[in-house]
Amino acid sequence: GENVEQHPSTLSVQEGDSAVIKCTYSDSASNYFPWYKQELGKRPQLIIDIRSNVGEKKDQRIAVTLNKTAKHFSLHITETQPEDSAVYFCAASKSHAGNMLTFGGGTRLMVKP
Amino acid sequence: EAGVTQFPSHSVIEKGQTVTLRCDPISGHDNLYWYRRVMGKEIKFLLHFVKESKQDESGMPNNRFLAERTGGTYSTLKVQPAELEDSGVYFCASSQGWTQEKLFFGSGTQLSVL
Repeated sequence: GENVEQHPSTLSVQEGDSAVIKCTYSDSASNYFPWYKQELGKRPQLIIDIRSNVGEKKDQRIAVTLNKTAKHFSLHITETQPEDSAVYFCAASKSHAGNMLTFGGGTRLMVKP
Repeated sequence: EAGVTQFPSHSVIEKGQTVTLRCDPISGHDNLYWYRRVMGKEIKFLLHFVKESKQDESGMPNNRFLAERTGGTYSTLKVQPAELEDSGVYFCASSQGWTQEKLFFGSGTQLSVL
């Protein structure tokens, strides 16, 4: 089955700096890669996703890149703000597997003011 | 629009007891999923309902776990008897489409088995 590894497990940055979270996956058939943000005590929420026919996607301060050959994808947050502090999860799925997502272990991002 | 709601938000039970978790998906969402996060590790898939039918239950850990979705609306997940390793956060999620659609998560049920 699919295995998703996520690094780092914790990340501390200064406000205004950039943050990068990296994930690798094992199943080359995976073709959909969403990222979820979970603030303390709240529900995980989808912040950005990318499909395998695209190499990069951007939404304001957030961008995701995908390297299908190397089977890794990354989340980039620029100009970090304290409200970006949360746990971020990457995930992977295959189109025939419904929304059975395989998640990474999560990254706790702390943005220091 | 109301989101995915889960009850209870927290549950503390003793080993051997029974606990039932409930999930109300977003109205109109035929697809309902259960996931759980154990010991701060990754969120793992448990099962997927399409309306009242179990589409995929490959992630259910063992026969102590029983999920139902009678009538295709809300779902329950019963753990009987609970074991220590069942402690974790149980998330429910729903989606309109069947595959690779935006998943809306509930806030989870924190289950502690003592």
